[in-house]
Amino acid sequence: GAVVSQHPSRVICKSGTSVKIECRSLDFQATTMFWYRQFPKQSLMLMATSNEGSKATYEQGVEKDKFLINHASLTLSTLTVTSAHPEDSSFYICSAPLWAGGEETQYFGPGTRLLVL
Amino acid sequence: AQSVTQLDSQVPVFEEAPVELRCNYSSSVSVYLFWYVQYPNQGLQLLLKYLSGSTLVKGINGFEAEFNKSQTSFHLRKPSVHISDTAEYFCAVRTQGGSEKLVFGKGTKLTVNP
Repeated sequence: GAVVSQHPSRVICKSGTSVKIECRSLDFQATTMFWYRQFPKQSLMLMATSNEGSKATYEQGVEKDKFLINHASLTLSTLTVTSAHPEDSSFYICSAPLWAGGEETQYFGPGTRLLVL
Repeated sequence: AQSVTQLDSQVPVFEEAPVELRCNYSSSVSVYLFWYVQYPNQGLQLLLKYLSGSTLVKGINGFEAEFNKSQTSFHLRKPSVHISDTAEYFCAVRTQGGSEKLVFGKGTKLTVNP
């Protein structure tokens, strides 16, 4: 099946620094990718929709200046957490949709665990 | 807007026992329904999905789910579970013909004990 990768898998940073997380669709192209945030023992909350060649669409309550999204190519989207603070510590997961046979399936990356000290 | 309710946050069962994980949804428009499984520190893997047609959907790893429009439910079942089925299970919906955005339930932690 289709594969979506994320890098890094785990990152620890100091408060006030910025962290970039990459999401790649390895064997298919994706004009759209999605970024989710998952707190411990909670569900995935959609943060934003990453659109190749245009601005990302953010969900209500998500600060676009803090969570910068760039969809640089048809296989790469990046999420940059700017001036990270301890409350930004979370599990970040991306997904990319693949259309085949008239059906769409979302493929998820393995996630990136961010710890801000 | 859509919402998904997974009433059971935790479900413990013994190995080889049957299991049902409940999912109810709310939407003013027609939706597609999904079940995903998440193993510790991993991303989500699609178990099965309902798009149209038969309301009984079979997925991977022996799981199946039944779409019930009148009860707005999409419960997940497996007749005999294995230790390896221990994981977090998420029900999700997406509007038909709209955005590809998924709305997730809070998840159900399935623990299979020997």
